[in-house]
Amino acid sequence: GAVVSQHPSWVICKSGTSVKIECRSLDFQATTMFWYRQFPKQSLMLMATSNEGSKATYEQGVEKDKFLINHASLTLSTLTVTSAHPEDSSFYICSARPGTSPYEQYFGPGTRLTVT
Amino acid sequence: GQQVMQIPQYQHVQEGEDFTTYCNSSTTLSNIQWYKQRPGGHPVFLIQLVKSGEVKKQKRLTFQFGEAKKNSSLHITATQTTDVGTYFCAGGGESDSWGKLQFGAGTQVVVTP
Repeated sequence: GAVVSQHPSWVICKSGTSVKIECRSLDFQATTMFWYRQFPKQSLMLMATSNEGSKATYEQGVEKDKFLINHASLTLSTLTVTSAHPEDSSFYICSARPGTSPYEQYFGPGTRLTVT
Repeated sequence: GQQVMQIPQYQHVQEGEDFTTYCNSSTTLSNIQWYKQRPGGHPVFLIQLVKSGEVKKQKRLTFQFGEAKKNSSLHITATQTTDVGTYFCAGGGESDSWGKLQFGAGTQVVVTP
């Protein structure tokens, strides 16, 4: 149990275009989902926290107009990177927290974004 | 704000040896979690510690949460080549109700046969 999927697993896009990444909890309902960004050989940086049906809360320094997050249902959250630039190239990972636990999070496999 | 520091950043270990990675938080944590990430992979959950002074073991891995709930350690005995990867600790803030985690920088482990 507790499986989180992400789609796509990798994507290449041209500079100036937008890319949508999906995060789904497959066998549980996730009241909260988190989006992280990871640069090569670095740690995970929390970008934003999203709760179903409400606006996402962004960490300091993360542009909310550039990284649009939608948590439309208890099993789906999306991250849209708008007007992507090469510096947005990174590994984006989501995690989902079941409503039954205050602490447990389950991570998706990540999406590698390359902007050319 | 809450900061989680992890040392060492790199650990070269001879197969069969033991090693420890340490995690320290600037604030008291509600819980601490440990993850392992293989090269090219995503973080995989290893363990969660919630209670002050808690110690948990998973085969050759021993996890400890400090009495003050501000530090933690992961000790691996008899290292194997399968232990290669980066180990991250991640702490949850006491006052956070959403379950946000602050990740440490990670310890990259290289095992020499």
